[in-house]
Amino acid sequence: QQQVKQSPQSLIVQKGGISIINCAYENTAFDYFPWYQQFPGKGPALLIAIRPDVSEKKEGRFTISFNKSAKQFSLHIMDSQPGDSATYFCAASRTSGSRLTFGEGTQLTVNP
Amino acid sequence: GAGVSQTPSNKVTEKGKYVELRCDPISGHTALYWYRQSLGQGPEFLIYFQGTGAADDSGLPNDRFFAVRPEGSVSTLKIQRTERGDSAVYLCASSLSFGPVGTGELFFGEGSRLTVL
Repeated sequence: QQQVKQSPQSLIVQKGGISIINCAYENTAFDYFPWYQQFPGKGPALLIAIRPDVSEKKEGRFTISFNKSAKQFSLHIMDSQPGDSATYFCAASRTSGSRLTFGEGTQLTVNP
Repeated sequence: GAGVSQTPSNKVTEKGKYVELRCDPISGHTALYWYRQSLGQGPEFLIYFQGTGAADDSGLPNDRFFAVRPEGSVSTLKIQRTERGDSAVYLCASSLSFGPVGTGELFFGEGSRLTVL
């Protein structure tokens, strides 16, 4: 009930391409879905977040798509850049600011 | 500093020893969280504080782990009788508010890497 499944485990894209990372959750009580970006040796940093009352949220090159009936959400990175190379984690929680359940992470490499 | 500060950044200890890890949250943040991140894995929730009290400690793996936040600011994670399986990066995070009020964004520190030999 508390798991968040993330795929793929690793992803390689060319500069300018689209990176897509998917997550699925089980607990229907979850109502806050953030994505975190983590660089080596650093702590995770919030990238973008969505609540289930909308199906899509866009901030710059980053878009979250949310499918409540399928209990799935995804991160799309448009025009991927080498500086986007990092590990991305999806997460979910019951209310904003309460304990987050993280996915296993996706290591993204953007080749120049 | 402006961010979450964690000390030490690296700690190497021997099996059976006692370890303390410190977290200094962003000033004014009332909620504080401890997570553990093993290599190649996502952060795993341990405990969070709202003010001085532990609002949820259900993620602590066993009674060797304990955390305090006596004045509602700095927190210390304490691990007794360390085991090799405790080796991980221990992340601290703070947020401005808890619950549906506010953005709920967690600000993470860079972590304390614990290695138990």
